[in-house]
Amino acid sequence: EDQVTQSPEALRLQEGESSSLNCSYTVSGLRGLFWYRQDPGKGPEFLFTLYSAGEEKEKERLKATLTKKESFLHITAPKPEDSATYLCAVAGVNDYKLSFGAGTTVTVRA
Amino acid sequence: GAGVSQSPRYKVTKRGQDVALRCDPISGHVSLYWYRQALGQGPEFLTYFNYEAQQDKSGLPNDRFSAERPEGSISTLTIQRTEQRDSAMYRCASSLGPTTSTDTQYFGPGTRLTVL
Repeated sequence: EDQVTQSPEALRLQEGESSSLNCSYTVSGLRGLFWYRQDPGKGPEFLFTLYSAGEEKEKERLKATLTKKESFLHITAPKPEDSATYLCAVAGVNDYKLSFGAGTTVTVRA
Repeated sequence: GAGVSQSPRYKVTKRGQDVALRCDPISGHVSLYWYRQALGQGPEFLTYFNYEAQQDKSGLPNDRFSAERPEGSISTLTIQRTEQRDSAMYRCASSLGPTTSTDTQYFGPGTRLTVL
């Protein structure tokens, strides 16, 4: 069974204070690792898909990286609008359902 | 429409009643997924369709839960004889189709189900 563990559960940052979120996973053959952002009361919003170890993707202040056992979401010089819950999910080979972690709730103070 | 839509957004029902939750996927999306999300947790898979065919229903908790997508577009998740433990946010997602390059799932706003 696919498993995803995210840490920390919560992260409080000062505006401009860079940090990283961790997503550890176990899956029998990775088809893709997905990062989503979720704002309160809304559905998850797609950010990135990573397919193979060593792959990196960037979007504004966010950068996602992937190894064979974990993924990191780096937030560089965050702003208050980056406050959200960030969800990590994996899908195994020949499997299209996503297995999610519990998420990391990021709060950025001005 | 521009995104996945779900209705109703909120549903309050009494224990023992049946409920039907609707999902309208992004136009042209072949694949449709149902998830359930508890507070403070990530979404948990329930079932999945390609076109009108239900490909995987391994996540449905028990036989009170069923889903259909008769014309390959709109889907309905039905919960019969609701119980308080069924209270949760039910989310629908859709994607272009079952290939690696088109597998991004886009989520709807969800239906908040409360069983009294």
